[in-house]
Amino acid sequence: ETGVTQTPRHLVMGMTNKKSLKCEQHLGHNAMYWYKQSAKKPLELMFVYSLEERVENNSVPSRFSPECPNSSHLFLHLHTLQPEDSALYLCASSQDVGQESSPLHFGNGTRLTVT
Amino acid sequence: GQNIDQPTEMTATEGAIVQINCTYQTSGFNGLFWYQQHAGEAPTFLSYNVLDGLEEKGRFSSFLSRSKGYSYLLLKELQMKDSASYLCAVKDSNYQLIWGAGTKLIIKP
Repeated sequence: ETGVTQTPRHLVMGMTNKKSLKCEQHLGHNAMYWYKQSAKKPLELMFVYSLEERVENNSVPSRFSPECPNSSHLFLHLHTLQPEDSALYLCASSQDVGQESSPLHFGNGTRLTVT
Repeated sequence: GQNIDQPTEMTATEGAIVQINCTYQTSGFNGLFWYQQHAGEAPTFLSYNVLDGLEEKGRFSSFLSRSKGYSYLLLKELQMKDSASYLCAVKDSNYQLIWGAGTKLIIKP
């Protein structure tokens, strides 16, 4: 098992659909993150969870809804998305939030296309 | 505002050496990270610098100067598999990671 697993790898959805992205980490980490990666732009932090509690929400539109049922699983529920939401969505985990040297471990991402 | 600057794209030759620069302006500093990301794959951690100086890890080295707000990643004996994007990120005073847009490195035979 790789450290952080994301499904699906690719997703095409219409603007009226509802879908969910799933992330699972097998590293025993306490913190999990959702990032959006668009071409030639810096990674955008969307949500941070520490021990299943949301600690960060960076002004993300309500059409994105995170869920963290336990410290190993993270979901991103999507509904009524816009074409500009098309991007690579990366999940990551780290030992804890705030530890200076603690690196992020990323999943391979979900390539989302909104039509 | 907070800002990380790195070149958009660089080209180098197999077997050569390349230096990828990163300059930053952040509210406070709690360390600088370099990540490697191959196309279609996850970013993977390469290095962490919090004190000034050079950290060497095999063919890769990372340098930090906090007074200049500057870091570089040095890749030696380049291999074709080093073709990837290299991401620079700084932890600010709130332990938030501020990311650069990444440098796409193209290695030619």
